[in-house]
Amino acid sequence: KAGVTQTPRYLIKTRGQQVTLSCSPISGHRSVSWYQQTPGQGLQFLFEYFSETQRNKGNFPGRFSGRQFSNSRSEMNVSTLELGDSALYLCASSGPSGGGEKLFFGSGTQLSVL
Amino acid sequence: AQSVTQLGSHVSVSEGALVLLRCNYSSSVPPYLFWYVQYPNQGLQLLLKYTSAATLVKGINGFEAEFKKSETSFHLTKPSAHMSDAAEYFCAVTPGYSSASKIIFGSGTRLSIRP
Repeated sequence: KAGVTQTPRYLIKTRGQQVTLSCSPISGHRSVSWYQQTPGQGLQFLFEYFSETQRNKGNFPGRFSGRQFSNSRSEMNVSTLELGDSALYLCASSGPSGGGEKLFFGSGTQLSVL
Repeated sequence: AQSVTQLGSHVSVSEGALVLLRCNYSSSVPPYLFWYVQYPNQGLQLLLKYTSAATLVKGINGFEAEFKKSETSFHLTKPSAHMSDAAEYFCAVTPGYSSASKIIFGSGTRLSIRP
């Protein structure tokens, strides 16, 4: 069974640009969560999608948005990039019921904003 | 509300020595508790979880953790460290069975192994 796949693996952007990251969950998983990981702030929850609906959202500005498609694949978008957006962005999927009893993480997308 | 505190951002032990990574939690309802491990350039992987069954939980790679309600602790241990254990470890808590969005992660403890 394939794991959680995130693309691209690395991204370099400049301030003011926008970026779209992709996450394909494990087959059969309907919940996809996104996290931002930085050395100073640790893992911070961005949002969770379940069956194409945003179920919860973390404390991030509106520049951060996401969506989920009918095949459970998810994308997150960051507009008007700032230097502070440089981070490892992780997505995680969980089982058919979308419970948090076990998260499966992708390897992440390392975003560098110059 | 839930929170989790990991004591020590960096722990260094010798190969073959005991590994002890500390985690204390706060929860207003019976919690589920987790330890995740992150190897360099990878995502997180579940090591073990406590979901209100046995208080001593065994995980992968020889790790185990004990849920102590009186001490609100869930420390991670391994009797004998191996070089391959070098990684970052995260303790996490949720308010029982709940959606993935409710999970709260600690700040992480980086484990180094000395030859």
